[in-house]
Amino acid sequence: DAGVIQSPRHEVTEMGQEVTLRCKPISGHNSLFWYRQTMMRGLELLIYFNNNVPIDDSGMPEDRFSAKMPNASFSTLKIQPSEPRDSAVYFCASSFYRGGTEAFFGQGTRLTVV
Amino acid sequence: AQTVTQSQPEMSVQEAETVTLSCTYDTSENNYYLFWYKQPPSRQMILVIRQEAYKQQNATENRFSVNFQKAAKSFSLKISDSQLGDTAMYFCAFMKRYNDMRFGAGTRLTVKP
Repeated sequence: DAGVIQSPRHEVTEMGQEVTLRCKPISGHNSLFWYRQTMMRGLELLIYFNNNVPIDDSGMPEDRFSAKMPNASFSTLKIQPSEPRDSAVYFCASSFYRGGTEAFFGQGTRLTVV
Repeated sequence: AQTVTQSQPEMSVQEAETVTLSCTYDTSENNYYLFWYKQPPSRQMILVIRQEAYKQQNATENRFSVNFQKAAKSFSLKISDSQLGDTAMYFCAFMKRYNDMRFGAGTRLTVKP
């Protein structure tokens, strides 16, 4: 298996633009997580899905952030409009929805908003 | 909400020595899971070790072992015979039911030759 695939690896965008980050989880996994990593705040859980259904989105910082999982093999995290403080590394991870199983992480997307 | 605290932002150890990284957590749950992940400069998140809260026996994976104290809500990671390749950020993570997984702020470990 190719693991969790995120795209793009790097994204530079101007303030106010829409940004879409993409994630393909490991085949057969039915839990998917979006995390944001910054020096100041560490790894923050933004949202997670079980069986394509959002379970907890309380970590989504503002209404500018939205996430979807239209099917078991694809998820997006969208920021509209983007701001410089959104600059961070965004990770997607997936696991089996069976308590305590390991989450496998993608390589992350480094987002820079200028 | 669950919180995970790693009180050591940075640590260093001499190659071949032993180092212990600390982690405490706060929860009202009785059944949960704990993990240590490693993040080398490549940015990839790698699972080091996991522990089920219902198991009293401490988990061990080669040179890595944990000291799980459920009553104290403590979950420390011991690295024996430290190697240069162990240099990385180490994150403690707590997972409760429904796969809600939260991380601590991390400890940057440097192994010195």
